[in-house]
Amino acid sequence: QSVLTQPPSVSAAPGQKVTISCSGSSSNIGKNYVSWYQQLPGTAPKVVIYDNNKRPSGIPDRFSGSKSGTSATLGITGLQTGDEADYYCGTWDSSLSVWVFGGGTKLTVL
Amino acid sequence: QVQLVQSGAEVKKPGASVKVSCKASGYIFTNYGITWVRQAPGQGLEWMGWISVYNGNTNYAQNLQGRVTMTTDTSTRTVYMDLRSLRFDDTAVYYCARVEGSSSSNWLDPWGQGTLVTVSS
Repeated sequence: QSVLTQPPSVSAAPGQKVTISCSGSSSNIGKNYVSWYQQLPGTAPKVVIYDNNKRPSGIPDRFSGSKSGTSATLGITGLQTGDEADYYCGTWDSSLSVWVFGGGTKLTVL
Repeated sequence: QVQLVQSGAEVKKPGASVKVSCKASGYIFTNYGITWVRQAPGQGLEWMGWISVYNGNTNYAQNLQGRVTMTTDTSTRTVYMDLRSLRFDDTAVYYCARVEGSSSSNWLDPWGQGTLVTVSS
């Protein structure tokens, strides 16, 4: 059971928009910045959003992030088949003194 | 460019130990901590712990305390993760990742390519 809660799967058609939620608590998301990781099949995770809503260089502006209270959301617009991947949210938990991840969300682009 | 390159796949018997290396390049090695994350087959990401490359301080996940040790060798810019008393459920891909940011703002970038550790009798 992960400390952060994500939906197991989401799906949408090419060109559409999808959002992935990440729910935590006051000791993790409520207190620290959230980052999001994309894991394409058979590859290592890669950060797509950090500090709640910032994009690393090279990540298209189709990817966005937001945070409110103890929840965070990853948004992807203009979906492409190449976006099919597992997405994980992560942050530091100040009470447990550990890094915590969500259970991951599998994005399917139909 | 900033890169982390890990050692190759390992097959170990239950009760044995494994040592995975993570060689860094492209940045000031002592300015960043390194975290280790593992992923069992078909499962999500599990944080294992963190090491400060600057002073060697560590912080391990409670469920691995006593079995895991993370060390650094600044002369070779390499971080090591040693896991002892291996069990079947330690079978996973092990990743190292550089810790960016500070204080309440931290993220993991980049990640190594992963090392598959298989525990099999």
